[in-house]
Amino acid sequence: GDSVTQMEGPVTLSEEAFLTINCTYTATGYPSLFWYVQYPGEGLQLLLKATKADDKGSNKGFEATYRKETTSFHLEKGSVQVSDSAVYFCALKDWTGAGSYQLTFGKGTKLSVIP
Amino acid sequence: GAGVSQSPSNKVTEKGKDVELRCDPISGHTALYWYRQSLGQGLEFLIYFQGNSAPDKSGLPSDRFSAERTGGSVSTLTIQRTQQEDSAVYLCASSAGQRGTDTQYFGPGTRLTVL
Repeated sequence: GDSVTQMEGPVTLSEEAFLTINCTYTATGYPSLFWYVQYPGEGLQLLLKATKADDKGSNKGFEATYRKETTSFHLEKGSVQVSDSAVYFCALKDWTGAGSYQLTFGKGTKLSVIP
Repeated sequence: GAGVSQSPSNKVTEKGKDVELRCDPISGHTALYWYRQSLGQGLEFLIYFQGNSAPDKSGLPSDRFSAERTGGSVSTLTIQRTQQEDSAVYLCASSAGQRGTDTQYFGPGTRLTVL
């Protein structure tokens, strides 16, 4: 079945540091790829997405490029802020074969940014 | 506009009791999903509804779990004879359509604790 593997956390960075959170996937079909973010005490929010190979999703200074050849969708940000402290989830959306598209999530990476 | 809402936000119950969790999707969204977020298992797909089509129940962990969606809008997830391993945050999401590229928007979740 489909699966998503993302780097284990927690990750602690100083403000203005460069961030990379690695994400790789396996899928039977041609999935869409997503990064969701969960801020403390809040629900899951879509951060960015890419729906086909070589697409780059971007939002709030975060970027990720859909790499089909390496089955990866790594999240990057050039200069993190304290307000970026959250849990980040990589996910893919693929046909289940039972009548729907479902999201398959990685286990999440907790990011803490210190001033 | 209003996002996905869920109620209650927290539910504490005793082992063996039944519980009902409610989800109000974004108005006009035809697709509705339930997921479960637990420490041990991460985020797991449970069930999917699309319009009047038969739901995709492939993610339900046991026959104690059921869900319905009335009038193509509000959905209720029911867990019968709750067990301690059912303790988790139950998330509802909706999307405008059922295409693989459609974004799922999540509610704040219901935290279920089974004593």
